[in-house]
Amino acid sequence: DAGVIQSPRHEVTEMGQEVTLRCKPISGHNSLFWYRQTMMRGLELLIYFNNNVPIDDSGMPEDRFSAKMPNASFSTLKIQPSEPRDSAVYFCASSFDPAGANVLTFGAGSRLTVL
Amino acid sequence: AQSVAQPEDQVNVAEGNPLTVKCTYSVSGNPYLFWYVQYPNRGLQFLLKYITGDNLVKGSYGFEAEFNKSQTSFHLKKPSALVSDSALYFCAVRSGGSYIPTFGRGTSLIVHP
Repeated sequence: DAGVIQSPRHEVTEMGQEVTLRCKPISGHNSLFWYRQTMMRGLELLIYFNNNVPIDDSGMPEDRFSAKMPNASFSTLKIQPSEPRDSAVYFCASSFDPAGANVLTFGAGSRLTVL
Repeated sequence: AQSVAQPEDQVNVAEGNPLTVKCTYSVSGNPYLFWYVQYPNRGLQFLLKYITGDNLVKGSYGFEAEFNKSQTSFHLKKPSALVSDSALYFCAVRSGGSYIPTFGRGTSLIVHP
C-alpha cells in the first residue's frame, strides 16, 4: 500500500481564494482524521470520520472550513474563503479498529500558505 | 477530557548517550498511550504504544517507553542516541471511551555528534 496520500503537497494562494485539500486513506481503514499543525498551536484535530460519517467536527475553526468523505477512499477539506491565519500544514491520517489500539497512519501533509 | 503535557520544547543529547523525552497525561479511565516521531517535511510516524500489560514497551528504532500509572507518565527512552534520531517527538493519549487521540505539543530532540 502506498500509505495515506495527500495532495497538493504545497499550496500558495491569496486571501479570499478557495482551497481544497485532498486525502486518500489506506485501503481498509475505516477512520479518517484531519489535523492542522502550526508552531503556535501544535497539532489540532479538525474533524474525525468513521465509516465515511463525520463523528466529531468540534475542531473545525468556523464556517469557512468544511470537510467531506463521499466514499471510503477519498476525503476533502475545503477552506472558503481562505485567510492568512489559515496558513499551516494540514495532515490527513487514517486508522483501523478505533475501539482497539487505533494507531494512526499520517500522510505527508499539505503545506498551505495564504498571502 | 484528556490531555497530554510534554514539558520540554527541546532536548539536547550527545550521540551515544541515553535520552529521555518526557510525557505526562490526564485521562478518565485506563489510558491508551502512544509515541510518534516526525522528521522534517514528513507526516508523523508511529513509534510505540501502551494499551495494557507490561509497563515497559519496546518500539521501533530501539526506542522504549515506561508507563507509570502513579505518576501518570509515559516517558520515551533510548539507551544510546544516534544523530539520526534528531526529530520532533509527539506523545498522544486517548481513553477507552474516545476514538480520538489527543497529541502533546511535541519535543524537538537534537542529538549532537
